[in-house]
Amino acid sequence: GENVEQHPSTLSVQEGDSAVIKCTYSDSASNYFPWYKQELGKRPQLIIDIRSNVGEKKDQRIAVTLNKTAKHFSLHITETQPEDSAVYFCAAGTSGYSTLTFGKGTMLLVSP
Amino acid sequence: DVKVTQSSRYLVKRTGEKVFLECVQDMDHENMFWYRQDPGLGLRLIYFSYDVKMKEKGDIPEGYSVSREKKERFSLILESASTNQTSMYLCASSATGKPQETQYFGPGTRLLVL
Repeated sequence: GENVEQHPSTLSVQEGDSAVIKCTYSDSASNYFPWYKQELGKRPQLIIDIRSNVGEKKDQRIAVTLNKTAKHFSLHITETQPEDSAVYFCAAGTSGYSTLTFGKGTMLLVSP
Repeated sequence: DVKVTQSSRYLVKRTGEKVFLECVQDMDHENMFWYRQDPGLGLRLIYFSYDVKMKEKGDIPEGYSVSREKKERFSLILESASTNQTSMYLCASSATGKPQETQYFGPGTRLLVL
């Protein structure tokens, strides 16, 4: 089955800095890569996703890149703000199948 | 707006008790999932269902069972609760579609087994 590795497990940055979280996957059949954000005490929510026919996707301060050859994808957050502090999960899935395999999460702390 | 609700936010049970966790979604989603969330281990899939009365084992089904009698409701059952089942349990739902559809999560149930 699919295996998703996520690094780092914790990340501390100063407000205004950029943050990068990296994930690798094992199954070459995976073609859908969502990122979820879970604020303290709240439910995970999708913030951005990318499909394998695209190499990069942006949404305001967040972007995701995908390297299919190397089987890795990354989340980039620019101009970080304290409200970006949360646990971020990457995941991998395959079109036509409903399940996702999640990484273990990255706790991002943005200090004012 | 998708709404996924779970019956309890916090639950305390004794070892050996039978425990029911309920999840309801109001968006007519075909797929429903139960995850367990533990620090440092991320989200691990326990069971999922892609239709009424259908169920599939996830990565960690041991000690759990599920029931889906109605499309909107998916129940997780701990037949005989043990202390190692103390955890946060998250339910999620998604529509069936190609390509992959977004999973929407419930608020979670934090279960403590004493």
